[in-house]
Amino acid sequence: EAGVAQSPRYKIIEKRQSVAFWCNPISGHATLYWYQQILGQGPKLLIQFQNNGVVDDSQLPKDRFSAERLKGVDSTLKIQPAKLEDSAVYLCASSLGADYFREQYFGPGTRLTVT
Amino acid sequence: AQSVTQLDSHVSVSEGTPVLLRCNYSSSYSPSLFWYVQHPNKGLQLLLKYTSAATLVKGINGFEAEFKKSEPSFHLTKPSAHMSDAAEYFCVVSEWIWGAGTKLIIKP
Repeated sequence: EAGVAQSPRYKIIEKRQSVAFWCNPISGHATLYWYQQILGQGPKLLIQFQNNGVVDDSQLPKDRFSAERLKGVDSTLKIQPAKLEDSAVYLCASSLGADYFREQYFGPGTRLTVT
Repeated sequence: AQSVTQLDSHVSVSEGTPVLLRCNYSSSYSPSLFWYVQHPNKGLQLLLKYTSAATLVKGINGFEAEFKKSEPSFHLTKPSAHMSDAAEYFCVVSEWIWGAGTKLIIKP
């Protein structure tokens, strides 16, 4: 089966610009996650979707970050305006969501550099 | 509140010797526990997960982890390190609380 797809793989922008990332989860996976991984740290969950709905967005900086999942499939994560501290790898993951001990499947990530 | 602490940021072992990566966690209930591996320039991959069926969990590539409620900990071990094990390893609590990672270095 195809894995989690993300694009672009790399993005360089200047501070105060906007940027969007796209994620296509594994077919049939109801749960979708966006993580931010700053160099030298573990991934930090930004937002979790279950089908179309948001399960948890408590760590999403809502003044500049937004995310949506249309029709319960693809998802986009947007940053507007970007700050220097947003430089990180943005990871998308998906899971079946059928039970509590669910394995997450990760995409390759988008490496964002804000200058 | 839940939390996870990986006690070593770097672990260096010689090829063929045992590996021990330590993970302590805090939770008010019995959580789900995972270990993920991230090889250089590759995506995160699940190594193993604790599902409360058994305290000793076997994963891929010869890794295993033991759930110890009394400590509480979920340390990752492997009897004999291989060069291909060089990677970063993350301990995860309840799916979304990630440790800072332990970089495993294998010396030839």
